[in-house]
Amino acid sequence: GAVVSQHPSWVICKSGTSVKIECRSLDFQATTMFWYRQFPKQSLMLMATSNEGSKATYEQGVEKDKFLINHASLTLSTLTVTSAHPEDSSFYICSAREARGSRWMGSPLHFGNGTRLTVT
Amino acid sequence: QKEVEQNSGPLSVPEGAIASLNCTYSDRGSQSFFWYRQYSGKSPELIMFIYSNGDKEDGRFTAQLNKASQYVSLLIRDSQPSDSATYLCAVKNDYKLSFGAGTTVTVRA
Repeated sequence: GAVVSQHPSWVICKSGTSVKIECRSLDFQATTMFWYRQFPKQSLMLMATSNEGSKATYEQGVEKDKFLINHASLTLSTLTVTSAHPEDSSFYICSAREARGSRWMGSPLHFGNGTRLTVT
Repeated sequence: QKEVEQNSGPLSVPEGAIASLNCTYSDRGSQSFFWYRQYSGKSPELIMFIYSNGDKEDGRFTAQLNKASQYVSLLIRDSQPSDSATYLCAVKNDYKLSFGAGTTVTVRA
């Protein structure tokens, strides 16, 4: 089955530094990847939609200058948390859908294993 | 009003019983509906999806969809301790998948 690889699985960084998280689709091409954030005991909140070859679409309330997204190829999207602060500590999860065209009524998202970010 | 609402639980059921999970959604134009299972500290994994009114069965799981009532449910038959997890209902609108807060299920051995 389709596999989405996310790296690193966990990272600890100091406040003010930047952290890059990679999301790769291993056996399919992904025109669109989604970045979610999940705080403890809360649901997944969509942060942004990453489109190959174009700018990402950010959800309301998500700072695009803080959470930089690059989707340079059909198999790789990266999320960079810039100038991280303790309140950015969370579980970040990427997901991808296969490049089957615009209608994917029954095509589920494939999730990466997530990255637990801790900012000290 | 939240886009996708679920009872947070926890829902505790004895081993072998049926666990019943409910989900309502606000956008009448929603197209597809998904149930994901998430273990603590892990990413969600897909259990099943449904997009037509009625029931869809897959092994011990049955999803039920009623678009008129904007309601989707998941039944877990013959619940096992390994089914203990948080179950997320997700609703697709256009390109986006919106998640409910999840229902935590505990299966007592």
